[in-house]
Amino acid sequence: AQKVTQAQTEISVVEKEDVTLDCVYETRDTTYYLFWYKQPPSGELVFLIRRNSFDEQNEISGRYSWNFQKSTSSFNFTITASQVVDSAVYFCALMTHKLSFGAGTTVTVRA
Amino acid sequence: DVKVTQSSRYLVKRTGEKVFLECVQDMDHENMFWYRQDPGLGLRLIYFSYDVKMKEKGDIPEGYSVSREKKERFSLILESASTNQTSMYLCASTRQGSTTEAFFGQGTRLTVV
Repeated sequence: AQKVTQAQTEISVVEKEDVTLDCVYETRDTTYYLFWYKQPPSGELVFLIRRNSFDEQNEISGRYSWNFQKSTSSFNFTITASQVVDSAVYFCALMTHKLSFGAGTTVTVRA
Repeated sequence: DVKVTQSSRYLVKRTGEKVFLECVQDMDHENMFWYRQDPGLGLRLIYFSYDVKMKEKGDIPEGYSVSREKKERFSLILESASTNQTSMYLCASTRQGSTTEAFFGQGTRLTVV
């Protein structure tokens, strides 16, 4: 069985604050892939990042950064200096032979 | 431009009707998935397929079936629609081995009355 847990249901911040979204996953597979997706109010799912289980290198892309730690089965996502346009639902996902999503975290950035 | 296309954006069906949701991808992907999305529950996996005529149950398969007769097409079937199947349905596809991300269709908002 595999599972993705996003414990934070909603996060509300003021613009320019940093936001960290937690993701914890469970799988018995040794080879797997992790993803983050963003779903803005328009509804489409926007791919943000993919990581495979052998690549624990953290990554920074503009205001986004990701922290992958196999030892704690976590793949956390940070938005630095948040903006109103970052308001969306963010999903963490795990792929082995199937693709499973967490319940999502709704981020609201207030001006 | 890669694409996953779902046949309908909005559907309204009556309780007890048989409902077909169609999904077509043009990327020659092996894996295809059907999810339903409900507020606070995220995307829940209904069924998936990793090859033509192959299918596996996801986490919430009850009340649904699927068909994959051709590689590019994956159909979700509600044998007898019920009001608790009112939801947003999303189709996705990926390449075997997940060398790319999953690509999603635009979603079908199904209302069962």
